[in-house]
Amino acid sequence: QVTLRESGPALVKPTQTLTLTCTFSGFSLSTSAMCVSWVRQPPGKALEWLARIDWDDDIYYSASLKTRLTISKDTSKNQVVLTMTNMDPVDTATYYCARMPGGGYRGFDHWGQGTLVTVSS
Amino acid sequence: DIQMTQSPSTLSASVGDRVTVTCRASQSISSWLAWYQQKPGKAPKLLIYKASTLEGGVPSRFSGSGSGTEFTLTISSLQPDDFGTYYCQQYDSYQFTFGPGTKVDIK
Repeated sequence: QVTLRESGPALVKPTQTLTLTCTFSGFSLSTSAMCVSWVRQPPGKALEWLARIDWDDDIYYSASLKTRLTISKDTSKNQVVLTMTNMDPVDTATYYCARMPGGGYRGFDHWGQGTLVTVSS
Repeated sequence: DIQMTQSPSTLSASVGDRVTVTCRASQSISSWLAWYQQKPGKAPKLLIYKASTLEGGVPSRFSGSGSGTEFTLTISSLQPDDFGTYYCQQYDSYQFTFGPGTKVDIK
């Protein structure tokens, strides 16, 4: 059974750095063509893809946010970590991690429950 | 960057109706398109990938078609559990973009 769970602070102040952890089970990020992404969704708005890390350590970022994002993985712990710098109130959103088998060509087939991050002073 | 649009933005239909949602890409994405259903307070659920391949466990009343820049999601006979917001998502050049969503409610 595949599961993913996001964890991190519920509240961050403007200009601070956000660190989120995705802990997963039921699959390995060392399996060929396996990937994990982060996606966010501001309240009442659409989904926005942020970053992706692959089984072979390839990394891809949203073109609009790449200067603020860092994604990494710890295969032994089954974790993927996302950091986002210089947080702003517009970054208030539910942040999801999602599994992507097949190198991204098969969509995001399993998602975490999401974690709501509010940016406010 | 490739932009995605969806129409309509909202629709209301009766149980048993045939429902179609359209998604358009700003440039050709071949068949690299997925569809998701999201219910309030929940994570999205993958319905279809590669434009027309049904994800395992998804009812056969859902189908997808299209290629290039125009795609459709069809629900052949709308069921009460099909309410929610439907998103298309494209994959091109290692970037992913979601459409703005189509909210479906049951009359």
